[in-house]
Amino acid sequence: EAQVTQNPRYLITVTGKKLTVTCSQNMNHEYMSWYRQDPGLGLRQIYYSMNVEVTDKGDVPEGYKVSRKEKRNFPLILESPSPNQTSLYFCASSITIRGGETQYFGPGTRLLVL
Amino acid sequence: AQSVTQPDIHITVSEGASLELRCNYSYGATPYLFWYVQSPGQGLQLLLKYFSGDTLVQGIKGFEAEFKRSQSSFNLRKPSVHWSDAAEYFCAVGAPVNAGNMLTFGGGTRLMVKP
Repeated sequence: EAQVTQNPRYLITVTGKKLTVTCSQNMNHEYMSWYRQDPGLGLRQIYYSMNVEVTDKGDVPEGYKVSRKEKRNFPLILESPSPNQTSLYFCASSITIRGGETQYFGPGTRLLVL
Repeated sequence: AQSVTQPDIHITVSEGASLELRCNYSYGATPYLFWYVQSPGQGLQLLLKYFSGDTLVQGIKGFEAEFKRSQSSFNLRKPSVHWSDAAEYFCAVGAPVNAGNMLTFGGGTRLMVKP
């Protein structure tokens, strides 16, 4: 089944404790992206990757890192989480970055930073 | 830069009634437009998209949307709402090729369905 998977689905952590949220897609997609969803703000892009070893900042990159060493994986790293990073995170992928291309979303990771 | 506004944060309709969710966008060229639905505890599912051709677009689950360039709108409609349509709906505008921020989302509209 074609899908985007994220782990963990739920995470509670404390300020300053490094964490990684994994994202994997099995569709051989070139483009992958991370979003955060906050009430009333919709989804805002954190980072994106156009292909292996090619990543760039989205609208809200502060406090996050990413890497794209393999085509299928795009982990999101919070080196020193803070309470304002409490949010719902979505990973997404699409076959290319061509405009109009459908993005497929993972199920989301709900993060609480105490 | 593109932007999307969904003026209604919450909408409540009775089951069987018609539905229209509003979406206004700002974009400097011909836009790519999308509607996604997020059911409770789920990820986002694409309902429909527009990027050229017929301005009335049919989607899944009986939804349709109409692109109106003159009004910069892309409203989502359904003639008869079912209880299972209760969810949050997001309108999004898509960027052109080689622009990394592929999608800009509106703030979402939460739909509640009364029995």
